[in-house]
Amino acid sequence: GNSVTQMEGPVTLSEEAFLTINCTYTATGYPSLFWYVQYPGEGLQLLLKATKADDKGSNKGFEATYRKETTSFHLEKGSVQVSDSAVYFCALDSSGAGSYQLTFGKGTKLSVIP
Amino acid sequence: DAGVTQSPTHLIKTRGQHVTLRCSPISGHKSVSWYQQVLGQGPQFIFQYYEKEERGRGNFPDRFSARQFPNYSSELNVNALLLGDSALYLCASSWATGNTEAFFGQGTRLTVV
Repeated sequence: GNSVTQMEGPVTLSEEAFLTINCTYTATGYPSLFWYVQYPGEGLQLLLKATKADDKGSNKGFEATYRKETTSFHLEKGSVQVSDSAVYFCALDSSGAGSYQLTFGKGTKLSVIP
Repeated sequence: DAGVTQSPTHLIKTRGQHVTLRCSPISGHKSVSWYQQVLGQGPQFIFQYYEKEERGRGNFPDRFSARQFPNYSSELNVNALLLGDSALYLCASSWATGNTEAFFGQGTRLTVV
């Protein structure tokens, strides 16, 4: 079956530090890959996505590259801000045309301190 | 434009009771999906509906059921509640199925005592 494995948290960084959150996946076929962010007390927001191998998703300074050979989709940001403090979820959708069923990782909590 | 709205925001129920959660998708969106997020875990897929038909079902017992109405709003029903059903229930809507972005509501926090 499909699965997503994320690095364990919580992760605590100082402002302007470099961020990497590792994500690897197991799936049949050619899944689409996503990063979602959940701020305290809120629902999930799509941060970025990639739909095929070697695609790079990017948004708000965050980037992730779809690496089929290593089945990975690591999230990176060059300089984090306090406002980036949230829980980050890696997810995949391998259900194909006709449905939209996401498989999520357990989430990684990021805390950025001034 | 209003986002995905879910009601109620919080709910406390007793073991064995039944609960109905409601979701209104973004205007124009025809697909609604439901997810269960247990504290400290990622969301788990429960159901997807598109044009009032079930398009997908996750690994949940038959106590869980859902439906979608002609206006594309949706209800999630859970019978014979267990303590383990305590979770944040998230609804997501999208314009269609397949590779389109899903927008999530803020969820309904269900506590079973």
